[in-house]
Amino acid sequence: AQRVTQPEKLLSVFKGAPVELKCNYSYSGSPELFWYVQYSRQRLQLLLRHISRESIKGFTADLNKGETSFHLKKPFAQEEDSAMYYCAHRYPGSARQLTFGSGTQLTVLP
Amino acid sequence: ETGVTQTPRHLVMGMTNKKSLKCEQHLGHNAMYWYKQSAKKPLELMFVYNFKEQTENNSVPSRFSPECPNSSHLFLHLHTLQPEDSALYLCASSQGLQGPYEQYFGPGTRLTVT
Repeated sequence: AQRVTQPEKLLSVFKGAPVELKCNYSYSGSPELFWYVQYSRQRLQLLLRHISRESIKGFTADLNKGETSFHLKKPFAQEEDSAMYYCAHRYPGSARQLTFGSGTQLTVLP
Repeated sequence: ETGVTQTPRHLVMGMTNKKSLKCEQHLGHNAMYWYKQSAKKPLELMFVYNFKEQTENNSVPSRFSPECPNSSHLFLHLHTLQPEDSALYLCASSQGLQGPYEQYFGPGTRLTVT
């Protein structure tokens, strides 16, 4: 079964420091990968998807097929980035099911 | 209200009660989903509906019974639940199933089974 692993449940960084949230997936083909974010008292929402190759709120994520990783990065963390981040995976061409990782709670300290 | 709404936001029920969760989407989407978010587990997909038809049941116990009367509404009927069913139940919708469609989530219903 496909699986998404986020090894860090909690991650704390200081404001202005770089941040990297790790995500690894288990799928040998060409996956569709996403990062979702849930800010305090807000609903879960899409942050970015790998096919868009976009930067949202300063975050980027590069798909590394060799390492089967899709780590989320930001060079300078801000306090408003504090949130729960979920990596998600979907079989390509079968968009009905997202498999989520267990999430990483990011805290950006002042 | 726009987006995906869920009612109630909080629910406490006994193991012998019968209750229902409601989800409504105002986005014109065709697919709707129920997820379970427990404290110590990843977000788990429960059911998927597309054009009112159930396309996926992720081995969910029969004490959870979904209903999708139209593409805008989704219900989750609950009966004889167990304490371990206490969790946040999230509803989501997307434009469709095929294609790179984003899923839009509701705020969730926090369920406590006593």
